Amino acid sequence: EDKVVQSPLSLVVHEGDTVTLNCSYEVTNFRSLLWYKQEKKAPTFLFMLTSSGIEKKSGRLSSILDKKELSSILNITATQTGDSAIYLCAVDRRWGSQGNLIFGKGTKLSVKP
Amino acid sequence: NAGVTQTPKFQVLKTGQSMTLQCAQDMNHEYMSWYRQDPGMGLRLIHYSVGAGITDQGEVPNGYNVSRSTTEDFPLRLLSAAPSQTSVYFCASSYSAGGGEKLFFGSGTQLSVL
Repeated sequence: EDKVVQSPLSLVVHEGDTVTLNCSYEVTNFRSLLWYKQEKKAPTFLFMLTSSGIEKKSGRLSSILDKKELSSILNITATQTGDSAIYLCAVDRRWGSQGNLIFGKGTKLSVKP
Repeated sequence: NAGVTQTPKFQVLKTGQSMTLQCAQDMNHEYMSWYRQDPGMGLRLIHYSVGAGITDQGEVPNGYNVSRSTTEDFPLRLLSAAPSQTSVYFCASSYSAGGGEKLFFGSGTQLSVL
């Protein structure tokens, strides 16, 4: 059975800390891995990773995929209270001509002032 | 620039009632899907559609029905609500880009079944 596992499930840090969130997966027909940030409402897109070893960056956030280890990490440097959210990892599985996403349970990050 | 619009935002039902959650997108995406989110469970796929007239089941389809008569609309019907269907529901539309499927989510519907 396909699965996506995120760790840790929750994390509490102080402003200015650096955090690393983990995502590992076991899926057939891997197509891509995506990271989403969910605050109070809908998840919003952060990154999509398709190739191993290439880092994607956006400000203080960065992510990298390791297809050999079937995993990805999301790094957040110099954390701020506004980074408090649930971070979701999803893997896109290729079914025929359309992909299909399977999500992990998320990591709840709390950043304290 | 509406994106994905879901209605209602909140709903309370009694066991056995039926209702339809509405979802519309204005981005001309072929792929649309419905997820439910429960505490500690992540997002789980209920049903999805790869285009008008084509739907298929996801991971947790029981108790739900969908149809896709147009590209824009993808309603989710609860046939006979049960307390186990208390959840937050998200509709999403997506397109293929850069080798993957990029999802855009609606703002969610919080449903309580008493």
